[in-house]
Amino acid sequence: DAGVTQSPTHLIKTRGQQVTLRCSPKSGHDTVSWYQQALGQGPQFIFQYYEEEERQRGNFPDRFSGHQFPNYSSELNVNALLLGDSALYLCASSLAAGYEQYFGPGTRLTVT
Amino acid sequence: GQNIDQPTEMTATEGAIVQINCTYQTSGFNGLFWYQQHAGEAPTFLSYNVLDGLEEKGRFSSFLSRSKGYSYLLLKELQMKDSASYLCATTDSWGKLQFGAGTQVVVTP
Repeated sequence: DAGVTQSPTHLIKTRGQQVTLRCSPKSGHDTVSWYQQALGQGPQFIFQYYEEEERQRGNFPDRFSGHQFPNYSSELNVNALLLGDSALYLCASSLAAGYEQYFGPGTRLTVT
Repeated sequence: GQNIDQPTEMTATEGAIVQINCTYQTSGFNGLFWYQQHAGEAPTFLSYNVLDGLEEKGRFSSFLSRSKGYSYLLLKELQMKDSASYLCATTDSWGKLQFGAGTQVVVTP
C-alpha cells in the first residue's frame, strides 16, 4: 500500500517565479492538507482540501493556492516567490477530519 | 491567542527516560498529537490523545490534561535512534494541525 507521495523532491526557483507542488494521498484517503516547515520550526498549516473544495485556510497570503482533483490528489501553487518561501512543504492525508494524518516525504523548495 | 510551547532541546543518556512537556492554548481543541521527525524526513505519528489520561504504546507514553492545557510525551529505555525532533500538535474538529516548534532530543551513549 503506497503511502503519501510528493513530487518533486527538491526544487530551486528564482524570486518572482511560480511553482507547483504535487501530492498523492494514501490509498483511500479523501482529505489533503498542506504545511510549510521552515528550518528549525514546526510545520505551519497552509490549507486543507476535501471533496475538491478548500475547507480551511491558515494565515498565508493569496499567493498560495491549491487544488484537489477527483482522484483526491492535490497541487499547491505559489506565485511571485519570495526568499522567505524557502522551506520544506509537507502534504498530509487522512481518511476523515480529525483522524491521524499521514505525511508525505515533503518537497524542499529553495528560492534564490 | 493561539500558542503551543515545548522545550527547544533535551539531552539524555541511552537507556534513560525523558519527558517532553507541551502546553497549549488553541481554539476548537479536538485532541493532541505527538509526532517524531528525523532530520530531513517527514513527521511520523507517535500518539493521539483526545481524553484526559495516559496512553501507553510500547516505549512511548503520552498524557493529556484538557483542563490544564498540558500534555507530555514519555520516552523510556532511550535508544540512539530516538535522537530526533518531537512535535506536539493540537487538532481541531476538521483535522487542522497546529504544531509547536519541536523539541530536539539528543541521546548520548
